[in-house]
Amino acid sequence: QKEVEQNSGPLSVPEGAIASLNCTYSDRGSQSFFWYRQYSGKSPELIMFIYSNGDKEDGRFTAQLNKASQYVSLLIRDSQPSDSATYLCAVGYNQGGKLIFGQGTELSVKP
Amino acid sequence: NAGVTQTPKFQVLKTGQSMTLQCAQDMNHNSMYWYRQDPGMGLRLIYYSASEGTTDKGEVPNGYNVSRLNKREFSLRLESAAPSQTSVYFCASMGVAGEMGEQYFGPGTRLTVT
Repeated sequence: QKEVEQNSGPLSVPEGAIASLNCTYSDRGSQSFFWYRQYSGKSPELIMFIYSNGDKEDGRFTAQLNKASQYVSLLIRDSQPSDSATYLCAVGYNQGGKLIFGQGTELSVKP
Repeated sequence: NAGVTQTPKFQVLKTGQSMTLQCAQDMNHNSMYWYRQDPGMGLRLIYYSASEGTTDKGEVPNGYNVSRLNKREFSLRLESAAPSQTSVYFCASMGVAGEMGEQYFGPGTRLTVT
């Protein structure tokens, strides 16, 4: 059973702070990793993906991958109230392009 | 482009009733997926179709059947609904391998089984 684990939260940070979201996965053969954002009552949308060890930056978002530790994280700098959402970590498999999702971490950014 | 559309948006069923959830995409994507989302459980894959004419089980297939009607449409059928199938159901699609992981989701169907 392939597993993806996240802290369910809620994680609360003040506006302007750095939010750090963490994810671990069980399958050492996993090659691709994704972060989706889901606003309450809405469908998920992709915000970041990472395939290689290290950091990948896109605007205020940084994804970090450590395959040896089977750990992937998402940092959100200068957090805004509009970042308040549930963040879903997903691990990709070549088989049909399917994804296995974690349970999501709810982030609340307080003004 | 409408993207991924799902019907219906809301549905209430009695235990034992059957229904089909419809999904269509207009992005010419090969792969399509059905997920359910329960509070605190994230998204769990029910079935997927890597290409027209193929379907495979995901993590939680029991109690469901699917049909990949053509490249655009992928339906999910509950033959005999149970209260445990109360959930939000999302359909998603994905393009070529180079975009692996970028699944586009429909708006969801909120199903209640009483």
